[in-house]
Formats: sequence, structure tokens, C-alpha cells
Amino acid sequence: ETGVTQTPRHLVMGMTNKKSLKCEQHLGHNAMYWYKQSAKKPLELMFVYNFKEQTENNSVPSRFSPECPNSSHLFLHLHTLQPEDSALYLCASSGESSGNTIYFGEGSWLTVV
Amino acid sequence: AQSVAQPEDQVNVAEGNPLTVKCTYSVSGNPYLFWYVQYPNRGLQFLLKYITGDNLVKGSYGFEAEFNKSQTSFHLKKPSALVSDSALYFCAVRDNTGGFKTIFGAGTRLFVKA
Repeated sequence: ETGVTQTPRHLVMGMTNKKSLKCEQHLGHNAMYWYKQSAKKPLELMFVYNFKEQTENNSVPSRFSPECPNSSHLFLHLHTLQPEDSALYLCASSGESSGNTIYFGEGSWLTVV
Repeated sequence: AQSVAQPEDQVNVAEGNPLTVKCTYSVSGNPYLFWYVQYPNRGLQFLLKYITGDNLVKGSYGFEAEFNKSQTSFHLKKPSALVSDSALYFCAVRDNTGGFKTIFGAGTRLFVKA
């Protein structure tokens, strides 16, 4: 139990599908993050939100669309993905209460077929 | 721009021996430095961090890390390795200017042999 919950844990989708990944944090943090983890590559920071406002967009393709309705929830909407987008997507949060340490969820495994 | 280098893809050590996993960083200003561990099919778990103060930081599961400003390094250490320490280890850096951008290294796989 990490305090950051991601659903679904596994997702298989076709290239024409639309799906969403959901993240919820129960830690009272103000910042939330999406990272992408691919095999044999460093963790890639995708998006950062602070108090619902986007503060980082690391040149992510528009087929990934984040949404942060409040400080506890973060979504990643997926549309017309490519097979190379298959990866582990990690949500995380941080805040003053954690001394700005980032805490991660268990991740959502995405396979694009 | 911030960057982190973990020069070893893999570290092999015998159980009971000391282990070191290396990390060097580049950041403008003073760094916040972190180590995380990832077990198979899991998210990253926080191990320890350096913000300020003592250069030797102690963390979870008997791990510690030494901050060396002149060498811009933050190596992870443990005096006596366990088989259960086998996992993927990530070093991360964030600058202290108030932003949220935390950058991770490529990871080092640690194998501890019984």
C-alpha cells in the first residue's frame, strides 16, 4: 500500500482505441506526476501538475492527454497510440509533507497492439 | 539542465559482502538527491534522500549513501548484501529552486548471489 493508487494495473488496447489511466493519491500532496518506463531506457518524466496546474510537459506527443481535476486525482487519456508506446506508466506525487520526496504508485502496464 | 548518470548497468556481489551502486549528477545550484528501488512488476520505492547536512545519509533496509559535492556523486552503499536486495536501483536528482522536475538515472540492476 503506497498511498498512490493506479488503475488499471494492466491494459491492452488497439491503436484506434481511446482509454484512460487513473491515479489517486491519499497523501495530501500538491504535486502529481506521470512517468514512462520503457525497457532499457531511463525513466521519462512526461507531465507534472502542481495544485491542478500543469508545470511540466516534457515534449510529450498529443496522443497522450493529461487531466488533473484536483490535487488528488490525475488521469492520462490515451488516443491512437503506437506499439512503441507500450510501457509501464508510473504515477507519483509529492508535497511538503513528504519533504518533496516523490512517492510512486505500482504502475499501469500498457500494451498497444 | 539536470542530469543523472549511473555508469553501471549491472552490479554483482556475493551475499554478505559490501555493495556500492554508483551515481553522479549534474544540476545548477544545490541538489536534492534520492535513491529508489524497484522490484519486479512493482513501482519505485523510496530508499533515502540527501537535502542538506550530513554527507552520509541512512535509509531503509540498511542502505546508506554518501554525498560528495566535489565529485558530484551520491553512491549507494550497504555493508552486507542480502539476496533479497537483488533489484533495480535508481538515482534521482532535483534542483532546489522550487521546481518539481525530478530526473532519474537509467537504473542499475543489482544481483546478490547466495
